Amino acid sequence: QVQLQESGPGLVKPSGTLSLTCAVSGGSISSSNWWSWVRQPPGKGLEWIGEIYHSGSTNYNPSLKSRVTISVDKSKNQFSLKLSSVTAADTAVYFCARVEGGSTVKHYFDSWGQGTLVTVSS
Amino acid sequence: SYELTQPPSVSVSPGQTASITCSGDKLGDKYACWYQQKPGQSPVLVIYLDTKRPSGIPERFSGTNSGNTATLTISGTQAMDEADYYCQAWDSSTVVFGGGTKLTVL
Repeated sequence: QVQLQESGPGLVKPSGTLSLTCAVSGGSISSSNWWSWVRQPPGKGLEWIGEIYHSGSTNYNPSLKSRVTISVDKSKNQFSLKLSSVTAADTAVYFCARVEGGSTVKHYFDSWGQGTLVTVSS
Repeated sequence: SYELTQPPSVSVSPGQTASITCSGDKLGDKYACWYQQKPGQSPVLVIYLDTKRPSGIPERFSGTNSGNTATLTISGTQAMDEADYYCQAWDSSTVVFGGGTKLTVL
């Protein structure tokens, strides 16, 4: 059974860049799955950030697209998130997740990491 | 951009049936899925491709999707089902979540 584990700084300064990594175990990142980032501000709902395929193809949330970069490292079986020019509004629990169904209408998340809280504050 | 609308809260008595709706333009032409999230935990998939239950999800969870509305139904609701529930769909290479529904079992 695949497992995902997020890692990265828990505190980022305003105007800085948030960087997180999701390590995948129990499965290959080069499988037929897409891999995604989702965030959840404290006390609020889920927000999709974007996703990547092992080929490097990406899809991003239009509202975040100008600030987001998602990349994949097949040699380390992991993928990463960079979010630039962060503000307090980017404070959230960030989850990584595995996508089933591809980038199609059949899309759903079947496995999730435990999530990591990132706070944007000086 | 595509939007999914859920009621903020639903209440149900133990043993009764809870229904949580998710509305979106022509949602029935897409696939809907549902996640359960308990406080401090990651979301858990409970329904995918409108009606399918992942392994390990109790049979009391079921889903439908037609017209503009997808519905998650929990039959014989138990106290352990108290949680936030989110619907999700895919539209034009974008993943969309509903705003979430807090299910209270009282």
